[in-house]
Amino acid sequence: DAGVIQSPRHEVTEMGQEVTLRCKPISGHNSLFWYRQTMMRGLELLIYFNNNVPIDDSGMPEDRFSAKMPNASFSTLKIQPSEPRDSAVYFCASIPAQGNYGYTFGSGTRLTVV
Amino acid sequence: GENVEQHPSTLSVQEGDSAVIKCTYSDSASNYFPWYKQELGKRPQLIIDIRSNVGEKKDQRIAVTLNKTAKHFSLHITETQPEDSAVYFCAARGGGSYIPTFGRGTSLIVHP
Repeated sequence: DAGVIQSPRHEVTEMGQEVTLRCKPISGHNSLFWYRQTMMRGLELLIYFNNNVPIDDSGMPEDRFSAKMPNASFSTLKIQPSEPRDSAVYFCASIPAQGNYGYTFGSGTRLTVV
Repeated sequence: GENVEQHPSTLSVQEGDSAVIKCTYSDSASNYFPWYKQELGKRPQLIIDIRSNVGEKKDQRIAVTLNKTAKHFSLHITETQPEDSAVYFCAARGGGSYIPTFGRGTSLIVHP
């Protein structure tokens, strides 16, 4: 199993540009989560999906952020327009089902907005 | 909602010593408590977890204890090694949600 796969690993973009982060969960995992990690705020849950349906997006900081999961094997997190304060590491994680399971995290995308 | 406090924020030990990281939680309905290790520049990885029907769980040099009455749980690492140096996160999953709440993390430094 290749685990949770995220791309790109690093992204440097200019303020105002659109950024798209991608995630492929573990096959058979039907819950997917997007987290943002910064030194100041720690790990923040942005949004999660269950069976491809967004369940709770209350953690999405602003309307500039959007996420989709068009099928069970792919999800995107988009920031448009990006701002320097969006600079962080963005992790995707998945679990087999709702319940008592630990996350499997992807390797993360380190986003730098200049 | 759930609130998880984690202490200390930084822990420095000598190789071979034991290390203990403590967390408290607020939701008495919480029933699942995972611990993650995050090495510098890498992803958080689940290292051990405990469910509310168990008081202690061990896996080689690491162990987790849970006190439901006091609503706290702890990670114990014995015979620490330099490769144990990382940030450790505790988390608690409340009874009403399957989304865990994370602590702020403990930076463990093991000096050779």
